[in-house]
Amino acid sequence: QVQLQESGPGLVKPSETLSLTCTVSGGSISSYYWNWIRQPPGKGLEWIGYYSGSTSYNPSLKSRVTISVDTSKNQFSLKLSSVTAADTAVYYCARHITTYFDYWGQGTLVPVSS
Amino acid sequence: EIVLTQSPATLSLSPGERATLSCRASQSLSIYLAWYQQKPGQAPRLLIYDASNRATGIPARFSGSGSGTDFTLTISSLEPEDFAVYYCQQRSNWPPMYTFGQGTKLEIK
Repeated sequence: QVQLQESGPGLVKPSETLSLTCTVSGGSISSYYWNWIRQPPGKGLEWIGYYSGSTSYNPSLKSRVTISVDTSKNQFSLKLSSVTAADTAVYYCARHITTYFDYWGQGTLVPVSS
Repeated sequence: EIVLTQSPATLSLSPGERATLSCRASQSLSIYLAWYQQKPGQAPRLLIYDASNRATGIPARFSGSGSGTDFTLTISSLEPEDFAVYYCQQRSNWPPMYTFGQGTKLEIK
């Protein structure tokens, strides 16, 4: 059974870089597509991007996003630069296969506040 | 960018009733649409993929249909645990990206 777990700082200051890591267990990160998705409080879901050898990012966030993988640790990471209060959200890591997301982490709330 | 519009925004029904949720795409998706259920404080859970295929472990009361631009999620007889928010999701080929509908909240009447 594949499991994903997000980790990272619980609070980020405006203009700084948000950094999160997703640890994958029960399967190899060398296959499939590994994604970050976020959800502002009380709002809908927004896809941020994925890594699978190459990367693909949401055009609305592309200039600020980097997703990378550490295969030795079976982890992948998100960096989102120059954050503002609008980036406050629950951040999920998720695996996608072909066109849909089959496994998700539990999510981690990242407030952006001074 | 393909936009997904879900309706209604809120659906009020009683246990045992039939629920019909709609997702309309701004461009044809063929059959590549998925549905998710999200309960408060939880991650979304995959229900349906490729428009009509139930994910592993999803009860038979959940069914999906449609193609092109109009898709439907049907819950044949609502159980108390089915009251949640439901999202549809699609993948665009170019640029490769994923979008979600704004969600339908299914609440107890």
